[in-house]
Amino acid sequence: NAGVTQTPKFRVLKTGQSMTLLCAQDMNHEYMYWYRQDPGMGLRLIHYSVGEGTTAKGEVPDGYNVSRLKKQNFLLGLESAAPSQTSVYFCASSTGLARTDTQYFGPGTRLTVL
Amino acid sequence: TQLLEQSPQFLSIQEGENLTVYCNSSSVFSSLQWYRQEPGEGPVLLVTVVTGGEVKKLKRLTFQFGDARKDSSLHITAAQPGDTGLYLCAGYPTGGFKTIFGAGTRLFVKA
Repeated sequence: NAGVTQTPKFRVLKTGQSMTLLCAQDMNHEYMYWYRQDPGMGLRLIHYSVGEGTTAKGEVPDGYNVSRLKKQNFLLGLESAAPSQTSVYFCASSTGLARTDTQYFGPGTRLTVL
Repeated sequence: TQLLEQSPQFLSIQEGENLTVYCNSSSVFSSLQWYRQEPGEGPVLLVTVVTGGEVKKLKRLTFQFGDARKDSSLHITAAQPGDTGLYLCAGYPTGGFKTIFGAGTRLFVKA
């Protein structure tokens, strides 16, 4: 049981380049999330999805787009990367949005934008 | 803006020592979770507390939710090198539906 996997693990981009981060989960969870983690700032929600074909903005959505074409996959896109998007990106999934639900996190993608 | 402040930010202790880390807010939360994150990995849930004053124990770790549900603490007894990691608290706001994460306490336990 792989849980939540993320591809790639590391990436270096030049300013203005684009890329897509892939998240996959095999737990049949409805809810999926993309976070970024920066030193001293904790995890901040970028976008989330409450089911296949649906997405919504989180706390810091600017500069990112997402798609959830299949229930098990959640893609995060950067159309024109900026140095401010240098961060560690985590995908997570959960069965619901209840106050006791557990979020299961992937191992992260470390992105550097030069 | 609802914020969770964690203290201390960094803690370096010797094996066998006890420690307490804190998670504080001016807002009320309907639940509070603690996660541990090891280097190069994603956070992993340790515990969820939902009732004001609730205390939960997980081996050498004791978690407490404040009576007013605005704060929480994590106490580790006789810390071991395996406890090393980033400890994150995450609050579920009353009336909301998105979890808010604190910045974390980075713990290093020396053998």
